[in-house]
Formats: sequence, C-alpha cells, structure tokens
Amino acid sequence: DTGVSQDPRHKITKRGQNVTFRCDPISEHNRLYWYRQTLGQGPEFLTYFQNEAQLEKSRLLSDRFSAERPKGSFSTLEIQRTEQGDSAMYLCASSLAAVNQPQHFGDGTRLSIL
Amino acid sequence: EDQVTQSPEALRLQEGESSSLNCSYTVSGLRGLFWYRQDPGKGPEFLFTLYSAGEEKEKERLKATLTKKESFLHITAPKPEDSATYLCAVQEYSGYALNFGKGTSLLVTP
Repeated sequence: DTGVSQDPRHKITKRGQNVTFRCDPISEHNRLYWYRQTLGQGPEFLTYFQNEAQLEKSRLLSDRFSAERPKGSFSTLEIQRTEQGDSAMYLCASSLAAVNQPQHFGDGTRLSIL
Repeated sequence: EDQVTQSPEALRLQEGESSSLNCSYTVSGLRGLFWYRQDPGKGPEFLFTLYSAGEEKEKERLKATLTKKESFLHITAPKPEDSATYLCAVQEYSGYALNFGKGTSLLVTP
C-alpha cells in the first residue's frame, strides 16, 4: 500500500511536554497538508506545503506549533508545551499540485494529553 | 459563521432504504466541493470532487450532485458496509485548504 503514512498512531503525553509527529505522503505528491480533528467535528486545516515551502497557515496554528518539510518529502509537526486542548487526531494529507486534485488522508496520530 | 453545514447529523437506515445527505455551503468562490467517507479510527477516504453546478458523479451505490448552494449525496439501496461518517468539504479559490462540515453519521442496519 502506497498511501499516506503517519507515525506514531497514538501518543500519550503529560501536559507541558513536547511532541512530534511524522507524515510520509504518497511518493509523487508535492503538496502536503496538516489537519486537526476533534470528536464529532470535521477536520480543521492547520497548514500546507508545496514541496519544502510552507505556503499557508491557519489561525489555529499557534506559536507552540511548528511544521517542517525539509526536503519536500516527509513532514513533521511539533507541538511544544502541550495543553489539554491539544488532545485531538492530527491528520496528514497529500495531493498532486494540479488544480482540483483531491487530498488523500492518512489514518492520523491520536494525541492524548494527561 | 459556518461555511459548510451538513444535515442530518445522524441517519439510521434499513438495508435497501435509499436516502440523501445534504451539504449546504457559503463561499465567495468555489474551487471544488469534496465528499469523503470516514470510518471510526481512520482518516477520511476520498469519494468525489464536484466543480460546477449541475455536475453529478456516481460510484457504486453513491451519487453526488451539486447546485450553487448545496450538494447532495444520494445513497441507493444501502448495505451495512456503507455505515460510516460522510464528510463534505469546500475549497475556495483563495487557497488550497479544505473547509469541512461536521459530517453525517450513517448507520445501515440489516
């Protein structure tokens, strides 16, 4: 299967700790997106990259959040000084960089803050 | 103000009982409207993209339609394996982010 891969699938951490998630997109896709989903809600956009350039950020992406895509391949999302409200499913998606190409999602990383 | 509103929030159907899910949207310029299916503990799975009013797309028991203000996902003779949450999302010309509704949770009973 050559879909979007996310690691880890689950992360439990204490409030105040830093966490990092990894996303490996579909190999030929040059756009990569991060979303956050809480229970009973649809995914909410956080940020997106085209190749290694971060081109769009949501207001939801506070200064405790940082995302990178160093060589235009995999991406990492780091949350510093985690808070209870950060508990959510963090989803990564990728797409081709052509107009109206659908975004294909991974199965996410579920973050639980104790 | 929500840009994307889905109804109903939850729907229970008997196997074979056809129905429709609604997605109403408010955007300044629609680049595309997307339907996804999401199973518990999984990421959204792409179903359809619709670009302009009057467009229709079909896949097995599912048919998606689009008007200038809303989209419908018609489910014909559903089976229990169609049980999932169906998400609608819009993409505006101003960017590439998808703006999702809260979804419709569909349960199909035998």
